[in-house]
Amino acid sequence: SQQGEEDPQALSIQEGENATMNCSYKTSINNLQWYRQNSGRGLVHLILIRSNEREKHSGRLRVTLDTSKKSSSLLITASRAADTASYFCATDPNSGYALNFGKGTSLLVTP
Amino acid sequence: SQTIHQWPATLVQPVGSPLSLECTVEGTSNPNLYWYRQAAGRGLQLLFYSVGIGQISSEVPQNLSASRPQDRQFILSSKKLLLSDSGFYLCAWSVPRNTEAFFGQGTRLTVV
Repeated sequence: SQQGEEDPQALSIQEGENATMNCSYKTSINNLQWYRQNSGRGLVHLILIRSNEREKHSGRLRVTLDTSKKSSSLLITASRAADTASYFCATDPNSGYALNFGKGTSLLVTP
Repeated sequence: SQTIHQWPATLVQPVGSPLSLECTVEGTSNPNLYWYRQAAGRGLQLLFYSVGIGQISSEVPQNLSASRPQDRQFILSSKKLLLSDSGFYLCAWSVPRNTEAFFGQGTRLTVV
């Protein structure tokens, strides 16, 4: 079942700008993950943040997690045309075995 | 290193025909295996997951079935395809639960 909801559904920015995507979820989680999908390809894992963490960095990526609000954000700084892709949040629930994915944010970075 | 193979990459099948999509994982043992479907412009819908050989859990009642005949092999099947089965099918694995999932490159299925 889909639990995460990304916002916005689509985002268009210019190279060098920052891109921020948000994710909201409904139930208790062990961790929250962000994935990237290039058109017509499989998903690639970007970053994982555990439920007891509030912020995590990886290169140009910054992820925050607010478990009280059941929300997360992904910030891509100094975006590049190659960052154009769809970005999904996925929650690893306390119960169950599989990740629950949102519908994704489609990011377009223009030169 | 671990790799996941999923084939075919694209498939066009007539309504009422059977389906068999195969996924294999290399470089790991006893992985959790998953089949997801992604409709155009939508997120991923979990179809099946497996925590061991012969152990299949279905998340959504549908025209599809899954089997795990070997530890690192996961097969998605249908006896008779429907138009609504069209979509992008993704196989994934993870070990253990609290870590990331690794995805295959997907199969684009078009039922005509």
